[in-house]
Amino acid sequence: GAVVSQHPSWVICKSGTSVKIECRSLDFQATTMFWYRQFPKQSLMLMATSNEGSKATYEQGVEKDKFLINHASLTLSTLTVTSAHPEDSSFYICSADTGAVSSGANVLTFGAGSRLTVL
Amino acid sequence: TQLLEQSPQFLSIQEGENLTVYCNSSSVFSSLQWYRQEPGEGPVLLVTVVTGGEVKKLKRLTFQFGDARKDSSLHITAAQPGDTGLYLCAGGGGTSYGKLTFGQGTILTVHP
Repeated sequence: GAVVSQHPSWVICKSGTSVKIECRSLDFQATTMFWYRQFPKQSLMLMATSNEGSKATYEQGVEKDKFLINHASLTLSTLTVTSAHPEDSSFYICSADTGAVSSGANVLTFGAGSRLTVL
Repeated sequence: TQLLEQSPQFLSIQEGENLTVYCNSSSVFSSLQWYRQEPGEGPVLLVTVVTGGEVKKLKRLTFQFGDARKDSSLHITAAQPGDTGLYLCAGGGGTSYGKLTFGQGTILTVHP
């Protein structure tokens, strides 16, 4: 089956530094990936849609300069949290559109998530 | 903006009990998916429903899509401790293929 790998799974950084999170589709090509943010015991909030070879589409209220997304290849999208602050601490999850359709809907595969803690 | 209202947000029950989680919206969705997520992991797809009135069963789980494709429910029969987790409904629609709108989630705890 389609597998999405996220790295790192857990990262701690100092306030003011930048952190890069990778989302890789291991056995399929993904033209479109999605980045979500999740706070403890809460749902997933879509941050942006990452499109291979073009600029990401950000959801309302998400700072483009704060959360840089690059989708340079069909198997890799990266999310860089720039000048991180404690309030950026969260669980970041990516999903990839496998291109397959099942039961009339696009099949997405989610990564296992990356927990960011900013001190 | 399409919104999904999921209820209840928290559910704590004893093993063997039945439960229902609801997902409601004022918008029509072309498809609705249910996911289960465990702490520290990504969501795992349980089912996709696309036809109004559709009912799907997955062992002890029964999923229903409303006739108007605006609401859905998840019913678990004889819950077990292994069912504990965060359950999420997510709607997809229109030209935003693959772009999902998630409900708030239901944290289910099944006590032995």
